[in-house]
Amino acid sequence: AIRVAQSPSSFSASIGDRVTITCRASQDIRTYLGWYQVKPGKAPKLLIYAASFLQGEVPSRFSGRGSGTDFTLTISDLQSEDSATYYCQQYYAYPRTFGPGTKVEIK
Amino acid sequence: EVQLVESGGALVQPGGSLTLSCEASGFTFSGFEMNWVRLVPGEGLEWVSYISNTGATTHYGDSVKGRFTTSRDNAKSSLFLQMNNLRAEDTGIYYCAREYYGFLAGYYLDYWGQGTPVTVSS
Repeated sequence: AIRVAQSPSSFSASIGDRVTITCRASQDIRTYLGWYQVKPGKAPKLLIYAASFLQGEVPSRFSGRGSGTDFTLTISDLQSEDSATYYCQQYYAYPRTFGPGTKVEIK
Repeated sequence: EVQLVESGGALVQPGGSLTLSCEASGFTFSGFEMNWVRLVPGEGLEWVSYISNTGATTHYGDSVKGRFTTSRDNAKSSLFLQMNNLRAEDTGIYYCAREYYGFLAGYYLDYWGQGTPVTVSS
């Protein structure tokens, strides 16, 4: 199975900050990677698909980059509603695998 | 509006069985592949299973293979997850998610339900 590592596991940042989360796959997955936002009691939300494409109605402060094995999710101008846990997922092969998640807290 | 509503979660003893359901609306259910994903406490998201739009093809995560079975009823726009021989490590919130195909983008999970909780404990 393709392993997906994610870093950092958690961090705290201030409103207006620019933050970046990194995801690394154990083998080349081309751009078959998505980023999801998970908040307690809510349906997980797709933010980015195909590594860099913004899902409809997702704020433009979210952006994704990367291909092959290394990917990033950047939130520019962090807002209070961005407090959540973020996961990357490879969908290049079965079993589909998620990263362990990054918990973002607002100072 | 796409809606996915899971149900059937419960407290069940180790070794027991449970069937989860997911009712879909707002799109042509028979045209989409579907997945189950769970949020495991302290562990994060774990992909559980996939089923093709016709139900002819399924895939499972290694931790549930041989114990869980996913199926669907396109006439009722419903997805199911039959879980047998449940273990404590199966505890979590179970989500159904629609799989969308984008040209050159591949298949990704674009809509999720709010989940149904499963607790396996004696």
